[in-house]
Amino acid sequence: EVQLVQSGAEVKKPGESLKISCKGSGYSFTSYWIGWVRQMPGKGLEWMGIIYPGDSDTRYSPSFQGQVTISADKSISTAYLQWSSLKASDTAMYYCARLRYSSSSRVLDVWGKGTTVTVSS
Amino acid sequence: QSALTQPRSVSGSPGQSVTISCTGTSSDVGGYNYVSWYQQHPGKAPKLMIYDVSKRPSGVPDRFSGSKSGNTASLTISGLQAEDEADYYCCSYAGSYTFPYVFGTGTKVTVL
Repeated sequence: EVQLVQSGAEVKKPGESLKISCKGSGYSFTSYWIGWVRQMPGKGLEWMGIIYPGDSDTRYSPSFQGQVTISADKSISTAYLQWSSLKASDTAMYYCARLRYSSSSRVLDVWGKGTTVTVSS
Repeated sequence: QSALTQPRSVSGSPGQSVTISCTGTSSDVGGYNYVSWYQQHPGKAPKLMIYDVSKRPSGVPDRFSGSKSGNTASLTISGLQAEDEADYYCCSYAGSYTFPYVFGTGTKVTVL
């Protein structure tokens, strides 16, 4: 079964750093892009960025460029999303999803359950 | 890159049909046949319902269908059921090297 398992909920203070994870299983992790999606409380879905674990090619949505870092460790089939200095406005649910990309298809076909990040003093 | 435009809400009675629109530009929806639709129930992760404009993953009821005309894609739910009450988001490939994907604003479907 294809799965993306995300790390658990986090509660942090403003200014702290954080790295959350997304572990893939049941498929060739290096052959699919992984996307990160933010959902703020009561709001819609926002693309943050994508990474191709095969060669670590990474693209950021303009709104998130410089605000977060996306990385991957293909040896353990895990993608990461990290912040160096959290703000209260980073409070949100964060989803990772597998991006199936081919000449005939572009789709987020498998989603993790999400990681809740709460930033509060 | 602006979010695709969806109606904030649509509603229908059980058994009726509802259609959700997703309006973009010739640079995203109109330029590629890579529109997908996701269903999200409260407190749950999004679930893929339609991809590549009109393809349905296995396990998704055939009550769900997708189409596209020009810069507007549509998701139709026929024979509305109580469990269809959820938020729905469209997503389109946009082809930009900077960042090639964009979501819609989301639509709340209410079953009356």
